[in-house]
Amino acid sequence: NAGVTQTPKFRVLKTGQSMTLLCAQDMNHEYMYWYRQDPGMGLRLIHYSVGEGTTAKGEVPDGYNVSRLKKQNFLLGLESAAPSQTSVYFCASSYSDRRVGAFFGQGTRLTVV
Amino acid sequence: SQQGEEDPQALSIQEGENATMNCSYKTSINNLQWYRQNSGRGLVHLILIRSNEREKHSGRLRVTLDTSKKSSSLLITASRAADTASYFCATDAQGGSEKLVFGKGTKLTVNP
Repeated sequence: NAGVTQTPKFRVLKTGQSMTLLCAQDMNHEYMYWYRQDPGMGLRLIHYSVGEGTTAKGEVPDGYNVSRLKKQNFLLGLESAAPSQTSVYFCASSYSDRRVGAFFGQGTRLTVV
Repeated sequence: SQQGEEDPQALSIQEGENATMNCSYKTSINNLQWYRQNSGRGLVHLILIRSNEREKHSGRLRVTLDTSKKSSSLLITASRAADTASYFCATDAQGGSEKLVFGKGTKLTVNP
């Protein structure tokens, strides 16, 4: 049982480049989330999804897009990367009733130069 | 803005002592959760307390919830060096919100 898997684990981008972060979960969870973690800021919610084909904005959605075409996958896209998007990105998933809390991936460390 | 705020931001104690961390939040909630994060790793769920519960235990963890004060506390008893980590509270707002919003965390250091 892999849980929540994020790819890639590390990435360096040049300003203006684009990339997609992939999150995959094998627990049949309805809800999925993307967070960014910056020093002293805790985790901030970027976007989330309550089911296949649905997405919604979180606290800091600007500069990011997401898609959830399949229930098990949640993609986070950066169309034109900026240095302010240098961060550690975490994906999480949970049941809709949150009976056992959310499961997190191991994170993607992204540096934009 | 973030829903939860942990207090203190950092806490340093000796092995064997108890550690208490607090979380305050802004809006009514369905439940409140506590998570742990070891350095450089993803978060791990510790315990969930629902809005109609006042106290919950899990091993050396004790969580309390006071909805009238919009606050929660996490107590770790008989701490160990392995408890060194950051601890976060997370809430989902009442009224059907599916968002799971985290605070900034408390960094706990347990000295051997």
